[in-house]
Amino acid sequence: QQQVKQSPQSLIVQKGGISIINCAYENTAFDYFPWYQQFPGKGPALLIAIRPDVSEKKEGRFTISFNKSAKQFSLHIMDSQPGDSATYFCAASIWGYQLTFGKGTKLSVIP
Amino acid sequence: EAGVAQSPRYKIIEKRQSVAFWCNPISGHATLYWYQQILGQGPKLLIQFQNNGVVDDSQLPKDRFSAERLKGVDSTLKIQPAKLEDSAVYLCASSRGGWIEAFFGQGTRLTVV
Repeated sequence: QQQVKQSPQSLIVQKGGISIINCAYENTAFDYFPWYQQFPGKGPALLIAIRPDVSEKKEGRFTISFNKSAKQFSLHIMDSQPGDSATYFCAASIWGYQLTFGKGTKLSVIP
Repeated sequence: EAGVAQSPRYKIIEKRQSVAFWCNPISGHATLYWYQQILGQGPKLLIQFQNNGVVDDSQLPKDRFSAERLKGVDSTLKIQPAKLEDSAVYLCASSRGGWIEAFFGQGTRLTVV
């Protein structure tokens, strides 16, 4: 099973601050890197995704930075809000199949 | 569009008993996934169907787990017999296929006592 390593395990950020979650992967065949957001009692929901042919993708307050040579990618949440408090999972797949998840980061945004 | 439907939401069984979970994917979605999410961990793929054929079941403990997708629509996941370590949330997801976004259901929380 190919691994996706995610850090930190938990993160506490002040409201208005920047939340940064990092992931690293091993398999260079991965070609799709989504981030999922999961609230308690709910299934994961796609937040934002990137392909390895671009180095950055931004959607609103959420940005993925991708470093192909280092085999790393990260999620930045700008102007973090209490409503962003959730568990975030990075994932990687080949052609969108065999989605492999990281272990998750529990984000708490405090007022 | 309606989301991925799963039932039951919760299930408590004794070890060595059997249990079945049901999933109804989003209409038109050819790909269906079953994931196991143990508390504090990321979802782990158990099995992936493309229409009614199995694409990947390499992580499915086949001595006790089985899954089927009849007519390429609904799917059931069965555990027989259950072990304590099977306690987890079982998530079903579906997508149109490939790179297209996978949508997850709310999951079934299984507790084996």
